[in-house]
Amino acid sequence: QKEVEQDPGPLSVPEGAIVSLNCTYSNSAFQYFMWYRQYSRKGPELLMYTYSSGNKEDGRFTAQVDKSSKYISLFIRDSQPSDSATYLCAMIERNTDKLIFGTGTRLQVFP
Amino acid sequence: NAGVTQTPKFQVLKTGQSMTLQCAQDMNHEYMSWYRQDPGMGLRLIHYSVGAGITDQGEVPNGYNVSRSTTEDFPLRLLSAAPSQTSVYFCASSYSSGAADTQYFGPGTRLTVL
Repeated sequence: QKEVEQDPGPLSVPEGAIVSLNCTYSNSAFQYFMWYRQYSRKGPELLMYTYSSGNKEDGRFTAQVDKSSKYISLFIRDSQPSDSATYLCAMIERNTDKLIFGTGTRLQVFP
Repeated sequence: NAGVTQTPKFQVLKTGQSMTLQCAQDMNHEYMSWYRQDPGMGLRLIHYSVGAGITDQGEVPNGYNVSRSTTEDFPLRLLSAAPSQTSVYFCASSYSSGAADTQYFGPGTRLTVL
């Protein structure tokens, strides 16, 4: 079983929809949680990171962490065609600083 | 600032050939790393460096060598290319390896080994 599980998609939504992207994990030592966005044929770029359980908002993006369920989510409000990309979750293990990526979910927002 | 640059963008090798993937950053970052990205596998760490002269292995180091003689450059060498090394390779850098430090990724090198 992988330490981080992420549905590969693709997820196809109309412009303006609310998008929910999710990851589950099995390692209770993960303490930092991040979301990266990767456009086609580009390197990943950090979108958001959070440490504690709860929500963190940044514009149209909200990152949610539920440590008790080992589940993290990224919500995108009012999705735009420019949000079309692959979204990777990533987690850092306490004490070792080991960084583990999910496999990514491909999102397509159509006009 | 050019950020993190990688060369070449594309490369085709024959089995057994060797080559070096170049990575450079102009942000004075101490921490640099190499990842490979394969379908269904996500990004996996190959090697990393916490500063000039210091390197260490990541999750999938076999078949690769690295060195770090300067802060700016972190080349990845494939010693004897194998088809299993067909992948997209990303170099990344950050100020430190601390959890909250943002990693900046290069644009990637697409490698095919025949």
